[in-house]
Amino acid sequence: GAGVSQSPRYKVAKRGQDVALRCDPISGHVSLFWYQQALGQGPEFLTYFQNEAQLDKSGLPSDRFFAERPEGSVSTLKIQRTQQEDSAVYLCASSFSKDIGNTIYFGEGSWLTVV
Amino acid sequence: GENVEQHPSTLSVQEGDSAVIKCTYSDSASNYFPWYKQELGKRPQLIIDIRSNVGEKKDQRIAVTLNKTAKHFSLHITETQPEDSAVYFCAPFGGNTPLVFGKGTRLSVIA
Repeated sequence: GAGVSQSPRYKVAKRGQDVALRCDPISGHVSLFWYQQALGQGPEFLTYFQNEAQLDKSGLPSDRFFAERPEGSVSTLKIQRTQQEDSAVYLCASSFSKDIGNTIYFGEGSWLTVV
Repeated sequence: GENVEQHPSTLSVQEGDSAVIKCTYSDSASNYFPWYKQELGKRPQLIIDIRSNVGEKKDQRIAVTLNKTAKHFSLHITETQPEDSAVYFCAPFGGNTPLVFGKGTRLSVIA
């Protein structure tokens, strides 16, 4: 595709509900990243994939957060038993390179509001 | 891990003036220094980047300068225009961890 595509763009979840956020990276991009951006803050790293391998998940805030990329393309970020502090924009980004010190391209984000 | 700070957190300039945003980092192994621009409700977009083997890079009205000894790099925008109003993030690459973003600088260009 032309860019990184994320869905849903907007999600309102009741506290305790599970949510799944999808990311479709740019075709052929090897590296995929998930970031969380709270209002007025910079993006905070959550996790990183190289193809289907999850190489770094040190930024996931709790065991309620889980990410996968089973075929090395589309990725899903799942949040179980959502809480109000999970309200944020979840940004997916991808890069053609295995070298993570390279340009990454962001999607428009999934805006999650937990009520 | 990488510790990143941006200054100032907010910046207002008159249209046509220059704007400078500074980013300091802690990891001396950092070798890639990008700047991202994020307009309200939009995705962050790369506007300029530099690697550690050069001290300055320019692209039209935007430039980035790097001081590896002092561990800081700066974004320079000349002849500012209203469409430059946005939040700017630095994101130095610290070796093995993905990009760590600063907290952002909100630039307002007043017409």
